[in-house]
Amino acid sequence: EAGVAQSPRYKIIEKRQSVAFWCNPISGHATLYWYQQILGQGPKLLIQFQNNGVVDDSQLPKDRFSAERLKGVDSTLKIQPAKLEDSAVYLCASSRGQDRPNTIYFGEGSWLTVV
Amino acid sequence: GNSVTQMEGPVTLSEEAFLTINCTYTATGYPSLFWYVQYPGEGLQLLLKATKADDKGSNKGFEATYRKETTSFHLEKGSVQVSDSAVYFCALAPTGRRALTFGSGTRLQVQP
Repeated sequence: EAGVAQSPRYKIIEKRQSVAFWCNPISGHATLYWYQQILGQGPKLLIQFQNNGVVDDSQLPKDRFSAERLKGVDSTLKIQPAKLEDSAVYLCASSRGQDRPNTIYFGEGSWLTVV
Repeated sequence: GNSVTQMEGPVTLSEEAFLTINCTYTATGYPSLFWYVQYPGEGLQLLLKATKADDKGSNKGFEATYRKETTSFHLEKGSVQVSDSAVYFCALAPTGRRALTFGSGTRLQVQP
């Protein structure tokens, strides 16, 4: 079974530029998550989708971050304009969304450096 | 709100030593508890989990027991190996929710 795929793996941009990350979850997984992991900290949930609907985006900085999951499969996370403090690893994760407890599977992450 | 507190690292041990990484949590109701591991250059992987009080999760020689009276989920292993060197994250999923709340992680370094 293929895991959660993310791209690009690494990205360096200047502040005020934009960047987009792509995620392909495990086949059949209804729930998709984006987490932000700043160096030395634990992952923090940005947004959770159930199929193509948003379940929780309470910690998403909506003035600069946006995410979509068209057709309930792939997802993109966009940052525009980027700030220095956005330097982090952006983790995509997925789960069936029906099990309890829920086992969440993570991708390898997209490393963002804002200079 | 929900939160997870882990002991600060790094934890440095010699091979075959006993490992304990402390984790305590704050949550309403009956959360599910997890340990995830992140090996160098790899993504987060589920190590073990427990869903109710007194449950013991175990995997690869690691164990953790869900203690509701002390709101703890400490990770233990009787004899660590160099290959266990990684960052370990304690996490919880609140009652009725699926998304995880993570602790800050504890880096384990095992020396030969």
